[in-house]
Amino acid sequence: AQSVAQPEDQVNVAEGNPLTVKCTYSVSGNPYLFWYVQYPNRGLQFLLKYITGDNLVKGSYGFEAEFNKSQTSFHLKKPSALVSDSALYFCSSRGSTLGRLYFGRGTQLTVWP
Amino acid sequence: DTAVSQTPKYLVTQMGNDKSIKCEQNLGHDTMYWYKQDSKKFLKIMFSYNNKELIINETVPNRFSPKSPDKAHLNLHINSLELGDSAVYFCASSQLSSGGTDTQYFGPGTRLTVL
Repeated sequence: AQSVAQPEDQVNVAEGNPLTVKCTYSVSGNPYLFWYVQYPNRGLQFLLKYITGDNLVKGSYGFEAEFNKSQTSFHLKKPSALVSDSALYFCSSRGSTLGRLYFGRGTQLTVWP
Repeated sequence: DTAVSQTPKYLVTQMGNDKSIKCEQNLGHDTMYWYKQDSKKFLKIMFSYNNKELIINETVPNRFSPKSPDKAHLNLHINSLELGDSAVYFCASSQLSSGGTDTQYFGPGTRLTVL
């Protein structure tokens, strides 16, 4: 069965500090993994994805994610957090059904000034 | 030039009523989706259409009926609304054929409140 887990409901970090939002996956076959961000009262916005190639994927707004096959993880990272990064972050993986994405439960990131 | 748009943004209605939510995308994508986001922010896929053909039909009450008049539009009609239908409904689109990927682009959402 395909699934994605985000073990932390909330992550709090001070502005300027590095941030990590965790995601682990369980998929059959090669994983296609995504990160989306949702700002308050907005739709989800695509940040980045891993399909194949380099394990470090760079995305929008200075975010990057590290794919680790042995740990089945795809953690989202940013070297220096901004208050404006405060939002709800979703990890997702592609399923075996065409177009089907499996989403994690989301992690609320709060960056304190 | 919004990529994926939904109308209305807010919808407040009484139990038992019938309502529709409309979605349009101008990205030229061949696949569109409806998601439901509950009060705990959990996202659940409801339906997906690829080139006007239903390809994903999750376990949702048959009071929910999607309609895709063309590739750029996917509407959601809900009959006999219930309190538990209150949620935010998101439309999304992606390009699956001709070298497309599964990257989905979301609309701004429709907040449905059933009283």
